[in-house]
Amino acid sequence: GAVVSQHPSRVICKSGTSVKIECRSLDFQATTMFWYRQFPKKSLMLMATSNEGSKATYEQGVEKDKFLINHASLTLSTLTVTSAHPEDSSFYICSARDFRTRITDTQYFGPGTRLTVL
Amino acid sequence: TQLLEQSPQFLSIQEGENLTVYCNSSSVFSSLQWYRQEPGEGPVLLVTVVTGGEVKKLKRLTFQFGDARKDSSLHITAAQTGDTGLYLCAGYSGAGSYQLTFGKGTKLSVIP
Repeated sequence: GAVVSQHPSRVICKSGTSVKIECRSLDFQATTMFWYRQFPKKSLMLMATSNEGSKATYEQGVEKDKFLINHASLTLSTLTVTSAHPEDSSFYICSARDFRTRITDTQYFGPGTRLTVL
Repeated sequence: TQLLEQSPQFLSIQEGENLTVYCNSSSVFSSLQWYRQEPGEGPVLLVTVVTGGEVKKLKRLTFQFGDARKDSSLHITAAQTGDTGLYLCAGYSGAGSYQLTFGKGTKLSVIP
């Protein structure tokens, strides 16, 4: 299947700093990528939909000024957590939609980024 | 918002036993996907079912999509310790929809 990478896999930062997480589709172009947040032992919660060349669409309750999303190319989307606080500590996962699989419309997920804010 | 209810939420079984995980909704889904996730990793796609009544097999795993495309099941035969993980069902609600709706997951523990 298609491969999606995330970087970094783990990051620890001080409260008040900003952290950037990258999501790349390695062997296909993804006009749409998705950012999820997952709390321990819980399912994935969609934060926003990232569209190449346009503004991201945020889910209700997600602060767009805090979670900045940029989808500058067909293979890269970035999520920047600005002025991070301990409550932002979580597992962040991206996925990319592979339009080649038109019938099944498959999403492939990255390995996730564990963010810890001290 | 269309919901997917997964059951059971937790399941602990002995190696060699069979089990079934259910994914139900009151809404119709154009397709349903099953993922397995291990701690600290992203979900890995196991299968996608598209046609009502469809049955797909992946070694010891059997996936079924309900005739009305509102529910799905995952059956594991002779579970192994390597099957341990979080199983998630997710679906697209309709034509043109590109947002996955996730179930809450089933945490499976297979004990040797």
